[in-house]
Amino acid sequence: DTGVSQDPRHKITKRGQNVTFRCDPISEHNRLYWYRQTLGQGPEFLTYFQNEAQLEKSRLLSDRFSAERPKGSFSTLEIQRTEQGDSAMYLCASSFAGPDVANVLTFGAGSRLTVL
Amino acid sequence: SQQGEEDPQALSIQEGENATMNCSYKTSINNLQWYRQNSGRGLVHLILIRSNEREKHSGRLRVTLDTSKKSSSLLITASRAADTASYFCALRSGGSYIPTFGRGTSLIVHP
Repeated sequence: DTGVSQDPRHKITKRGQNVTFRCDPISEHNRLYWYRQTLGQGPEFLTYFQNEAQLEKSRLLSDRFSAERPKGSFSTLEIQRTEQGDSAMYLCASSFAGPDVANVLTFGAGSRLTVL
Repeated sequence: SQQGEEDPQALSIQEGENATMNCSYKTSINNLQWYRQNSGRGLVHLILIRSNEREKHSGRLRVTLDTSKKSSSLLITASRAADTASYFCALRSGGSYIPTFGRGTSLIVHP
């Protein structure tokens, strides 16, 4: 297992275009998280899944953002009609949820989005 | 959900010195984690401390938790240039399974 993989690592797009990011978590992990991080800030929670169920979404997540985890394995995060304010690093993390197991996140390297 | 507030925002030290950074929070927590992020990369988990623990060690790292003061500190002893990174605390509170992060402390260790 090579850890959490994210693709692409970098994406430059024009305002108004749609973009999709993919995350492949650690195979034994049943929880998957998406965070967004801008320069000088900490990661900001977007959404998370337990297996294929999307259990929580941030109120900051506009309806232009959608995430899926169709078979409880990989996940995609799509941003429609991108805006310059969407420029950020999008981080995926996974964890194993179980009784008496602390929720320690393993992060991918991130996907950096630049909207021109 | 609450997020921690790290202090200081930036710290610059010489190699071999100790680095201490703090995380304060407002309401009770289940556990508190510290993560490191090298420039432009993802975060790496360093250490977790539960609400019923007061101190934990991992190599050159020492974490303390004072629930009465609602604060935690991360001490890195004998720092190295490779410790240069941003350090974040992440809180888990109540029934939430969402770790929330502060703005971090940027540490620079000069060789």
